[in-house]
Amino acid sequence: SQQGEEDPQALSIQEGENATMNCSYKTSINNLQWYRQNSGRGLVHLILIRSNEREKHSGRLRVTLDTSKKSSSLLITASRAADTASYFCATDGTSGSRLTFGEGTQLTVNP
Amino acid sequence: EAEVAQSPRYKITEKSQAVAFWCDPISGHATLYWYRQILGQGPELLVQFQDESVVDDSQLPKDRFSAERLKGVDSTLKIQPAELGDSAMYLCASSSTGYGYTFGSGTRLTVV
Repeated sequence: SQQGEEDPQALSIQEGENATMNCSYKTSINNLQWYRQNSGRGLVHLILIRSNEREKHSGRLRVTLDTSKKSSSLLITASRAADTASYFCATDGTSGSRLTFGEGTQLTVNP
Repeated sequence: EAEVAQSPRYKITEKSQAVAFWCDPISGHATLYWYRQILGQGPELLVQFQDESVVDDSQLPKDRFSAERLKGVDSTLKIQPAELGDSAMYLCASSSTGYGYTFGSGTRLTVV
């Protein structure tokens, strides 16, 4: 069963614009991670934010976490056509180490 | 950069046939995962190994799926017999700390 739900399901923007994707989850977590998947390929780990953190940056990526609302957002600034991919949030619950993924957001960055 | 190796990259098989996938995790990674990803959905965990032991196989359809990691290194996932609904991407991942999984490129299975 899926733990996280991403919103929107699909997002289309122009190169240079910012892209924001949201993730909501249901149960308490140890950490939340974001992954990227190019079409037909495996997933690539982007960033991990722990339950006691509120914001984290990595290059053009900014992740926020609101444990009171059980939600997270991923912001990609100054998007590039190469950022076109599916983005998944995944949670690591407090009850075990299983990583549970959401349904993903398909991001298309138009040149 | 170290990678998780998976083979084959693509597999087409007829229903009721047996099929097997292989995964070689990053050297030293004790934890290995097999995920199944249906097109348009997120990955779902099938089985998790810690060294050679199964930690979680609660979502593995045990009537037809089996997984092993005999020496705690590489792993094989088998389906017998394959069904049309098994068509999906099968992803292997490994981690050393339980955080920041490294995924392989996956095996795309098509059952006809």
